[in-house]
Amino acid sequence: AQSVTQPDIHITVSEGASLELRCNYSYGATPYLFWYVQSPGQGLQLLLKYFSGDTLVQGIKGFEAEFKRSQSSFNLRKPSVHWSDAAEYFCAVGPNSGGYQKVTFGIGTKLQVIP
Amino acid sequence: DTAVSQTPKYLVTQMGNDKSIKCEQNLGHDTMYWYKQDSKKFLKIMFSYNNKELIINETVPNRFSPKSPDKAHLNLHINSLELGDSAVYFCASSHRDSNQPQHFGDGTRLSIL
Repeated sequence: AQSVTQPDIHITVSEGASLELRCNYSYGATPYLFWYVQSPGQGLQLLLKYFSGDTLVQGIKGFEAEFKRSQSSFNLRKPSVHWSDAAEYFCAVGPNSGGYQKVTFGIGTKLQVIP
Repeated sequence: DTAVSQTPKYLVTQMGNDKSIKCEQNLGHDTMYWYKQDSKKFLKIMFSYNNKELIINETVPNRFSPKSPDKAHLNLHINSLELGDSAVYFCASSHRDSNQPQHFGDGTRLSIL
């Protein structure tokens, strides 16, 4: 079974600074990988996803993530954080085996943005 | 247009009661899910239906019973509510394939008194 680890529970960055949120996964092959964002009082929204091909994927809101097979990582980055980026971020891994989808979510990283 | 809508948004009730949460999606997806998010934001899948057929049934007390009248609806009924059931419950939907992202509703915050 797959698993995902988000080592940082809480991160604080200054507005305009760069951001990197870490995600490590465990899966026997190359999995499907996702990053979701959850704003307060709302459901999760997909930021980006990786299935195959180019290991650097672009998402919405200026986010990108890089798949590194050797490190079993899929870290999320943004070059310049905006105050509206303050939210909870979830990394998720899904099996690359076809059929029914059972996605496993990480515990989330809460991003705080200070002026 | 709301893609995945759940009702009610808030549910406050007493221990021992029975309650239902409804979910509807207008995205044309064939797979729907129920997740439970606890106070620490941990998101755990409970059930998944594909075309009205139960395909994922995690270790959930049998007080929780999902029902899918058609592929656009997935309701969750909870009997004999307990304090530990307090959480935010999210409905989601997607196309069946593993590489399809899930679309989430805004959640139902259930509080047990």
